[in-house]
This record gives sequence, structure tokens and C-alpha cells, in this order.
Amino acid sequence: DGGITQSPKYLFRKEGQNVTLSCEQNLNHDAMYWYRQDPGQGLRLIYYSQIVNDFQKGDIAEGYSVSREKKESFPLTVTSAQKNPTAFYLCASSLKGLVNNEQFFGPGTRLTVL
Amino acid sequence: GQQVMQIPQYQHVQEGEDFTTYCNSSTTLSNIQWYKQRPGGHPVFLIQLVKSGEVKKQKRLTFQFGEAKKNSSLHITATQTTDVGTYFCAGRWSGGSNYKLTFGKGTLLTVNP
Repeated sequence: DGGITQSPKYLFRKEGQNVTLSCEQNLNHDAMYWYRQDPGQGLRLIYYSQIVNDFQKGDIAEGYSVSREKKESFPLTVTSAQKNPTAFYLCASSLKGLVNNEQFFGPGTRLTVL
Repeated sequence: GQQVMQIPQYQHVQEGEDFTTYCNSSTTLSNIQWYKQRPGGHPVFLIQLVKSGEVKKQKRLTFQFGEAKKNSSLHITATQTTDVGTYFCAGRWSGGSNYKLTFGKGTLLTVNP
């Protein structure tokens, strides 16, 4: 059953702690993305990766870090430098190219920092 | 940075009424995609528009891309309770990354049965 998995669904952390969110896909997609969703704000791009071992900052990369060591995996670390980390985090993937490049989203991780 | 403005932010309708959400960009888009997110769920791709003046239909949903490729709309005819959710447009601009999408803030549709 192909798709994108994110774990865990809910995550609680204390302020000042780094936390890593998991994202795995078995769709054989080259590109992967991380978005943050806050109420009324839509989806804002944090980082994206077009190919293994390469990634680019999105619109709100400060306080976040990523790695892309494997095609299937694109973990996101929310560092203690992120001033307002409580949010719903969505991972997505897509094919390369100008057509058929719709993004497939995982179920999301809701992070709450106490 | 480049933005896609989406209106309205909220829309409440009676079941059977029509619904429209609009997206605008100040500069010409390369293409635009539409997504639907059900309450508590994740965004799901609906359609991509690429050509100037393009109109595509999916059952009761009609998607349009403006002649100048600066605006787009999603129209739902005779809404049903299953249409409830947030509808997002997401645009790409020429000269930018083929991968980076910029999402509008979405329109939350609620339907009164």
C-alpha cells in the first residue's frame, strides 16, 4: 500500500528541547517537502528536497533543520531556536517534472510544546 | 516573496447552494493547483491548471484559470455535506523552482444540511 507516513500523530515536548519528526514515503518520489500549518495561515513551506543529499530552504526555515540521506526519508528537526513551534506539520512528496507533479501529503504530526 | 491571495476566508452555505473561492496573484503564474483538506485531515490534490483560460470540470466542481494566468477559481454547484472542508489554491511562477508551491490561506467551507 503506497503512501506517505508520518509519526507520531501527536507529539508533546518541553520548551527548549529539539524534536525530530519522521516522514517516510514508498511512492518512489524524488521530491519531498515539509510544511507548517497554523489556523488561518494556510500551508507554509519550511524545507524541500529535489534529490537525495540536497535540500533548499522554504519560506520559514529559521529554527528548523532537515536531512535527505535516503530517497524514502526526509526527517525534520524542530530546534529550540524555533520561537513558536506548536503547529501541525505536514510532509509531502511529488514526482519531478512539469506535469503529474501534484503533491501527496502524509497524515501530519501535531506538535505541542509546553 | 510571491503570494497567492485567496478569498473568502470562510463561507457557510445551505446544502444545495453554490460556492466559489477565488485566488489571485499579482504576477503571472506558471500553473496553479487546487487541494481539499477535510476537517482533521491532510490536503488532497484536486486538479492542476496550466493553460491560459483553461476550464476543467470534475462532477459538480468547475475550475478556471484566467486568461492572464493571474487568477483562478473553484466553483461547486449544489453543495453537499461531503463538500465540507478547506479548499486551497497553490501556485507556481515562471523562473522559480518546478517543485516549490506557494499556497493560499484557504477557504473553509461549511454546509448546513
